Amino acid sequence: RKEVEQDPGPFNVPEGATVAFNCTYSNSASQSFFWYRQDCRKEPKLLMSVYSSGNEDGRFTAQLNRASQYISLLIRDSKLSDSATYLCVVQSRDSNYQLIWGAGTKLIIKP
Amino acid sequence: NAGVMQNPRHLVRRRGQEARLRCSPMKGHSHVYWYRQLPEEGLKFMVYLQKENIIDESGMPKERFSAEFPKEGPSILRIQQVVRGDSAAYFCASSPVGVEGNGYTFGSGTRLTVV
Repeated sequence: RKEVEQDPGPFNVPEGATVAFNCTYSNSASQSFFWYRQDCRKEPKLLMSVYSSGNEDGRFTAQLNRASQYISLLIRDSKLSDSATYLCVVQSRDSNYQLIWGAGTKLIIKP
Repeated sequence: NAGVMQNPRHLVRRRGQEARLRCSPMKGHSHVYWYRQLPEEGLKFMVYLQKENIIDESGMPKERFSAEFPKEGPSILRIQQVVRGDSAAYFCASSPVGVEGNGYTFGSGTRLTVV
């Protein structure tokens, strides 16, 4: 079983729609969680951290469910520029704080 | 205010040659991480370095791969006797500290193609 699992997609979504992805992690000792965005053939960029109480940044909402060991990302009013691969990242003390990456979920926003 | 600088952006090597990938961290960052990304896959951790120290190399293949971060100059990822399977994007990231809660800043990557 992979440490961090994501549905690879692609998710094909019309512009303006709401889309949500989930990510599951296997290490119950994981402590920090992030969503990164990666555009085609470019470096990953931090989208947002994920906090226990859930957090929002504009059209983006991230939630953490520790009991079920999953993280979610919700994008409202999607824009064409949201098309990218979204990477779920987990960090834990017992892996020396290394970032453990999911393989990513590809999102395509269509006009 | 330069970010993480990686060079070259693209590198083509014939099988059996050596590849040297360079990474200069952001100003003020003393922690460097190297990752490899194969097509359609996520990033795989390779090595974590501080100046003159390898902190964690658990992701490095046992043979042909080495990394260093000297007191002066960039971090270098060195691949000897490259094979086709080494073709990938190699990303370097840096951070000011190496503890939980810190997202990293990535360089633009080096795309290695072995022919």
